[in-house]
Amino acid sequence: AQKITQTQPGMFVQEKEAVTLDCTYDTSDPSYGLFWYKQPSSGEMIFLIYQGSYDQQNATEGRYSLNFQKARKSANLVISASQLGDSAMYFCAMSPVQGAQKLVFGQGTRLTINP
Amino acid sequence: DAGITQSPRYKITETGRQVTLMCHQTWSHSYMFWYRQDLGHGLRLIYYSAAADITDKGEVPDGYVVSRSKTENFPLTLESATRSQTSVYFCASSDLPEAFFGQGTRLTVV
Repeated sequence: AQKITQTQPGMFVQEKEAVTLDCTYDTSDPSYGLFWYKQPSSGEMIFLIYQGSYDQQNATEGRYSLNFQKARKSANLVISASQLGDSAMYFCAMSPVQGAQKLVFGQGTRLTINP
Repeated sequence: DAGITQSPRYKITETGRQVTLMCHQTWSHSYMFWYRQDLGHGLRLIYYSAAADITDKGEVPDGYVVSRSKTENFPLTLESATRSQTSVYFCASSDLPEAFFGQGTRLTVV
């Protein structure tokens, strides 16, 4: 069985600072995918970034990067130069194969950006 | 408009009633999913479908029924609604590696 753990229920960060959201995972599958989603107060789920377990490089998408440490089973999300609009719930998720199938989600981290 | 749409957005129903949540995607993605979101649990997979007429259970399937006669539609039916099924329901479709989510349906069972 797969499991995602997000140990930070809430985080408060000053605008323009970088922020790291923690995510650790547990799986016995040799191939898997790791994802981060953003859920603003309006409720929709917004895909941010994806990392395949066999990808050699850490994934980056604009201000988002995924710090993938396979040996430690961690997949932390780094947001550079945070903005007020980054305030939201953030969910880490994984799938048993590379690609979005049967996602298992963590409980989320509520990020608040202070002006 | 291209995308994935859920209907209704909000629904209040009574215990014991049957209710169907609709999901429609315009991309022809093979995979579709139903998740529920409850406080303290994140999102949990109810059912998923790899293609038309192929469905399988997720983590929390009890009390739910799905069908997929057409690629673009994936309705979720609560056969006899219970208060524990009060939740926000998300439909998603997958174009590997991403999954795209609908806006969600907030269901309240009274």
